[in-house]
Amino acid sequence: QQQVKQSPQSLIVQKGGISIINCAYENTAFDYFPWYQQFPGKGPALLIAIRPDVSEKKEGRFTISFNKSAKQFSLHIMDSQPGDSATYFCAASNQGGKLIFGQGTELSVKP
Amino acid sequence: GAGVSQSPSNKVTEKGKDVELRCDPISGHTALYWYRQSLGQGLEFLIYFQGNSAPDKSGLPSDRFSAERTGGSVSTLTIQRTQQEDSAVYLCASSLVAVNNEQFFGPGTRLTVL
Repeated sequence: QQQVKQSPQSLIVQKGGISIINCAYENTAFDYFPWYQQFPGKGPALLIAIRPDVSEKKEGRFTISFNKSAKQFSLHIMDSQPGDSATYFCAASNQGGKLIFGQGTELSVKP
Repeated sequence: GAGVSQSPSNKVTEKGKDVELRCDPISGHTALYWYRQSLGQGLEFLIYFQGNSAPDKSGLPSDRFSAERTGGSVSTLTIQRTQQEDSAVYLCASSLVAVNNEQFFGPGTRLTVL
C-alpha cells in the first residue's frame, strides 16, 4: 500500500515533442506529490509538486495532472529539449515527511 | 547559499568492515533524511530526523544500519559489518520542516562493498 508505481521505465522523445510519465498510488492518505529530476552523478532536484486539492499545476514547460479518484498523477513536459534528458522520479508522502518514490523513468530527448 | 553536502563522495570497503557516511544539511533546516539508491531497488527511504523528535527509523533494512544527528545539524549514517548488498548511493536530504516541504538532496556517497 506504500508503493508508488511509475511508468514507463524509459522514454525516447524527439526534440519539441511532449514527454509523459505516469504514476499510480494506493495509499489514500498521501497528500503531497512531488516530481524530482536527476542527472547522472547528482542528487535528485525538485521539479514541481502538487497537493490533492488541485487537479493540475503548471510551471513553465512542466505540468502535473492529478486524478484523485483514479489515484494517478502524471508529469507532462512540453516542447521537450535535449537538456531535459535525465531520470525523473515521482514520489508521495503523507505528512510524515518521508518520500515514497516511484522506480524512475529515464528520459532521452533526441535532437 | 551552500547546499547539502555529503562526505566522502566515494567509499570502497571490504565486506565485514564498518563505514560512516556524513551529511551536512542546509543551515536552518530542521528535517534531515537518508535515502538509498540502488539499481534494483530505486530510491528507498531509510531514516529521518525532525528537530528534537524521535527519529523515524522505519526504513532501516537491518540492525546493522544506524544514524544519529548531533546538535540538530550534522548527521552520520553508520553501517556495521558491511555486506555486498549494501553497495549503493546513499543520499541525504534536508528540508525546512518535515511536513510536505521541499527536500533538498546532496550529491550522495557511492558505497562499494568488495
